[in-house]
Amino acid sequence: GQQVMQIPQYQHVQEGEDFTTYCNSSTTLSNIQWYKQRPGGHPVFLIQLVKSGEVKKQKRLTFQFGEAKKNSSLHITATQTTDVGTYFCAGSGGSNYKLTFGKGTLLTVNP
Amino acid sequence: GAGVSQSPSNKVTEKGKDVELRCDPISGHTALYWYRQSLGQGLEFLIYFQGNSAPDKSGLPSDRFSAERTGGSVSTLTIQRTQQEDSAVYLCASIPGTGVGNGYTFGSGTRLTVV
Repeated sequence: GQQVMQIPQYQHVQEGEDFTTYCNSSTTLSNIQWYKQRPGGHPVFLIQLVKSGEVKKQKRLTFQFGEAKKNSSLHITATQTTDVGTYFCAGSGGSNYKLTFGKGTLLTVNP
Repeated sequence: GAGVSQSPSNKVTEKGKDVELRCDPISGHTALYWYRQSLGQGLEFLIYFQGNSAPDKSGLPSDRFSAERTGGSVSTLTIQRTQQEDSAVYLCASIPGTGVGNGYTFGSGTRLTVV
């Protein structure tokens, strides 16, 4: 079945440093979504990417979808303590009714 | 309701007992999902409902797990003869239609601990 791998598993940064997490799928995706889960909380939807090579920005967050629609990345510029949490990518295949989640990247930020 | 509501928020049960977890999705959302999140792990798909039917229950780990949805609204996930490996956070999510395009809205989850 479809597998979504995410690296790194953990990332610790100093406040103000940049952060990137990468997501790779074993199969071509119809779309990819990103979620953020704060410590003790539940995943919250951030964004969806659909088109090959698509780039979207949300303030300090930049999301990319690869040309082959099998990989994606989330980049945070100048991290802040409020960015702490686990970032999950989740992909949907041809059926488009179900998401397969990566295991997430836990980001901690040292103030 | 305004969001996805799950109950109980925490459940401690003895090994071998049955448990029922409840999910009340956003009003009007036709699709409902159950996922399981073990400590430090990603989200594992369990079952998908569209209305009252479950076209995909491929993620249920064993026949001890079952789920139903009534009235196109509330769903119950039942785990029979619980085992310690069932300990996890069980998350419910809903979306308005048939495609995942608008993203899942998750509930706060039920933390199940089997002792």
